[in-house]
This record gives sequence, structure tokens and C-alpha cells, in this order.
Amino acid sequence: EDKVVQSPLSLVVHEGDTVTLNCSYEVTNFRSLLWYKQEKKAPTFLFMLTSSGIEKKSGRLSSILDKKELSSILNITATQTGDSAIYLCAVDLGLNYGGSQGNLIFGKGTKLSVKP
Amino acid sequence: ETGVTQSPTHLIKTRGQQVTLRCSSQSGHNTVSWYQQALGQGPQFIFQYYREEENGRGNFPPRFSGLQFPNYSSELNVNALELDDSALYLCASSLMPGGEQYFGPGTRLTVT
Repeated sequence: EDKVVQSPLSLVVHEGDTVTLNCSYEVTNFRSLLWYKQEKKAPTFLFMLTSSGIEKKSGRLSSILDKKELSSILNITATQTGDSAIYLCAVDLGLNYGGSQGNLIFGKGTKLSVKP
Repeated sequence: ETGVTQSPTHLIKTRGQQVTLRCSSQSGHNTVSWYQQALGQGPQFIFQYYREEENGRGNFPPRFSGLQFPNYSSELNVNALELDDSALYLCASSLMPGGEQYFGPGTRLTVT
């Protein structure tokens, strides 16, 4: 069965700290790995990773994929209270759409709380 | 370009009742996927519609059903509501099956 596992499930830090969120996966077919930020309702897209070892950056956020280790990390530097959210990792199974799990398999998410 | 919209924002139903949730896809998108997100969990795939036909289904019972209309908007219907159906229901549209998905704001359903 395809699965995505995120750790930790929750994390409390103070403003200015750096955090690393982890995502590992076991899937039958892999097209890409995606990170989303979910503050209240709609997950908003952060990154899509397809190639190993290539870091993607957006401001204080960065992410990298390790296809050998079947994992990815999301780093947030100099955290702010506005970073408080649930961070979701999902694997896109690509051509496996229409199957019993659809083409996006999500982890449970990491709930990040940033205290002032 | 209009994003994905969902209605209603939230609603409360009683066990045994039926509910219909609605989703308008992003302009130009012909594929809609529905997800259930229980508290503390990641979204779980319910089903996907492509050009008005069901194009895949997750492990949800038949009382979860859907429709897609010629304008590619979609409905999720849930019959005989159970307490465990309480969740955030997200829809996501994409240009085609397997394409990048854009999520709507969700409908929060509470079953009492």
C-alpha cells in the first residue's frame, strides 16, 4: 500500500528558530513530491520536487528530495509566528491516477506552532 | 482567472441525514478530485471526476457519491450521515487527470 509518513507530527518553536520537517514515502509509482501549507482550510502549494539533490527555495523556506532515501525535508529558517500552520507532504503518483488512491497521497502533516 | 470555490463554507447535519457539497473548478480545468480531511489527518482521496465521468475512487462506501456537470463543476453527496463523516471536505481541480491540483477552501461538515 502506498504511504507517506511525516515527522514530527507536531512541533513548537520560538520565533527566530530554524526547523526541519521530514517526509518519507513508500509508493508504487513516483512522479513528484509536493509540500503544502495549510493554515485554516485550503492547502496552499509550496514546492514540487522531482529530482534528487536539487534544493528549491522560496524566501526562508527550502526543500530537497532524496530519491535514494525516499524522503524529503522542508526547512524554515528564522521562523515567524505567521509560519504557524500544518505542513502537508504529498506524493504524486502520476500516471496512477484513477486508481484506488487517486494520484495524490498525503501524509498526516506536521503541525508547527511558532511562539513569539 | 477564478480559483476553486466551494459551498457551503460549513454546515451541521444530524446523523442519518443527507448532504450535498458543491465545488466550482478553476477556469479551464476539466478534472475535479474530492478529499476528506478528518481532524489531525492528511486529506484522503474520495474520488475523481473527469469530463463528467468518475475516474477513480478511494476506499469510501457507496453512500459517498458524486457528479460532474458539463461546466465541470462538481457535487459530493453523502447519504445516511455518520458521526465519523465529520471532517473538512476539500475539492481540487486540475487541467487533466494527473495534473497539478488546485485546492478550494473546503467545506467543514459537522455531524451530530
